[in-house]
Amino acid sequence: DIEMTQSPSSLSASVGDRVTITCRASQGISNYLAWFQQKPGTAPKSLIYAASSLQSGVPSKFSGSGSGTDFTLTISSLQPEDFATYYCQQYQTYPLTFGGGTRVEI
Amino acid sequence: EVQLVESGGGLVQPGGSLRLSCAASGFTFSDHYMDWVRQAPGKGLEWVGRSRNKANSYTTEYAASVKGRFTISRDDSKNSLYLQMNSLKTEDTAVYYCARVDSYAFDFWGQGTMVTVSS
Repeated sequence: DIEMTQSPSSLSASVGDRVTITCRASQGISNYLAWFQQKPGTAPKSLIYAASSLQSGVPSKFSGSGSGTDFTLTISSLQPEDFATYYCQQYQTYPLTFGGGTRVEI
Repeated sequence: EVQLVESGGGLVQPGGSLRLSCAASGFTFSDHYMDWVRQAPGKGLEWVGRSRNKANSYTTEYAASVKGRFTISRDDSKNSLYLQMNSLKTEDTAVYYCARVDSYAFDFWGQGTMVTVSS
């Protein structure tokens, strides 16, 4: 199985900060990488697919980059509604696998 | 508007069975692969399995942790996805989400249904 490792596992930030989350795959996955946001008690929301493409309706403050094994999710200016847990996921190979999550908190 | 609504969760004893449903609306269900993803209390996301569409013969894929115990099926005439769960274990306790697949990635998720396996 492809292991997805996110760092950091949690971070503290302030409104207006630029935040970067890293995701590393245990083997190359080309650009078959997605990012999700999840707030407590709610379903995940899809943010990015194909490593850098925004899902419809997702604000441009979210951006993704990377290819192969190393990927990043950047939030350009953190707002109160962005405090959540973020997950990466590879979908190149079965079983599909998720990173352990990064909790973004104040 | 795309909507996915899961149902069928509840409390079941170890070794028991449960069938989850996911009702889809707002899109052409038959065109899409559909997946199940679960999340144990306080834990991360775990992929459960996939149903491909008619064009791909409705074939399925499963995580090793559920293979042989869980079965994914769909009824395109009812715009519904199902997860038949047998031989349930305490470690299957989780919120179960259905998710739509587009261009091989998840784009929409349901709100989830809770399954508790306990004696």
